[in-house]
This record gives sequence, structure tokens and C-alpha cells, in this order.
Amino acid sequence: QITLEESGPPLVRPTQTLTLTCTFSGFSISDEGMGVAWIRQAPGKAPEWLALIYWDDDKRFSPSLRSRLTITKDTANNQVVLTLTDMDPVDTATYYCAHRLFWRGYHKWGDAFDVWGQGTMVIVSS
Amino acid sequence: DIQMTQSPSSLSASIGDTVTMTCRASEVLNSYLNWYQQKPGMAPKLLIYGTSRLQSGVPSRFSGAASGTVFTLTIANLQPEDFATYYCQQSYSTPRTFGQGTKVEVK
Repeated sequence: QITLEESGPPLVRPTQTLTLTCTFSGFSISDEGMGVAWIRQAPGKAPEWLALIYWDDDKRFSPSLRSRLTITKDTANNQVVLTLTDMDPVDTATYYCAHRLFWRGYHKWGDAFDVWGQGTMVIVSS
Repeated sequence: DIQMTQSPSSLSASIGDTVTMTCRASEVLNSYLNWYQQKPGMAPKLLIYGTSRLQSGVPSRFSGAASGTVFTLTIANLQPEDFATYYCQQSYSTPRTFGQGTKVEVK
């Protein structure tokens, strides 16, 4: 059974750096094809994909946030860490990590996010 | 970025109805389209991936289809637990992008 759990500060001051940890179980992120994504959702808004780290340490980022995002994995401790610098009130959201489900499509590998953490709410305020 | 446009933004339906919602992509996705269900205070739940593949444990009353860049999610015989917001999401390219959602409400 795959589970993921996010942890991090509930309140961050503007201009500070947010560090979130996703602790997971039920899979090894070093297995081929595996990946963990971070997705956030502002109140009343649609989810917004932020970043994805793959088993081979390849990383993908949202272009609009690329300069502010870092994603790393700790295989031994089953964790993925996301940092977002220069926080602003517009970054207030629930932040989720999610497991990557992948399959071989006709053209290339496809993926979806099949197991999500419960989310952690982050408020950016002075 | 690939833009995903869902319609309608909300719909009202009754138990037992069949409802269909649409997601239009700004580019060709070649079937790399997923659907999620979200209830208040909960994380999104994967329903369908790859346009029409039913995620394990999801009832068969949910189905997905596509015609070109237009994707549809159909819920047959609507049940009380199906009142929620539904999001489409493309996995064809980075960044992965979501639609703005369709909320299914009680008529």
C-alpha cells in the first residue's frame, strides 16, 4: 500500500523560503519509472502542478516557478523535499505530494498521480 | 503551456442521471489525459488515466472518451457520492496542467 505524507510549516513570512518534506512508503523511488510530484491548490482554485522528480534524478519544473523551485530525493529515507524561495501571499495554498503512476502509451510513457498525500496548508503572511 | 478548458464550470443533476462534462486541450494530447475527482477538504482522487483507462477501484459508471482535442468524462447512474468537483489534467508535456474544474451539484 502506497502512502505519502507532507510536512512543513503552516505559516511562512513573505520573502522567506518554504521547505516541504514528503515522506512516503510502499514503493522505492529508485525503481525504474517511479516519480513523486508536488502539486499545490490555492483556496477555491484548481490544482497547479509544481515539480516532478524521477527515479533517475531527472527533474521537471513549472516554467513559471522554475527559478524559485528545488526538488531533491533521499532514497534511503524515502523522502522528497521541495523548496520554494521568496514566498509571497499568492503562494498561500495546500501543498500536496503525489505518486507517479506510469504506463506505456502509443507514443511515449504517460503518467498520472494515483496516490496523494493529505496535503499541508501553507499560509504566507507577515 | 498546454491550456485545458473544462465545461461547464458547474452542472446540476439528480441521483440516477447520466452526466457528461468536457475538457478541451489547446494542443493534441494523443490520449495523455487524466481525470480526477475532488471532494471538499480532500486531495484529488484519480478516476481515469490515458483518456479511458479506469483506475483500480473506481466504479464502472465512470468512463472517458476523446475526439481530437476534446475529452469527455461521463458518469452514468449518478450516485450520492459522485457530487464533487472534477478536474482534467494533461500528461503529454511539461508543465502538467489542469483544467479549472466542473462542479457537479445536487439539483
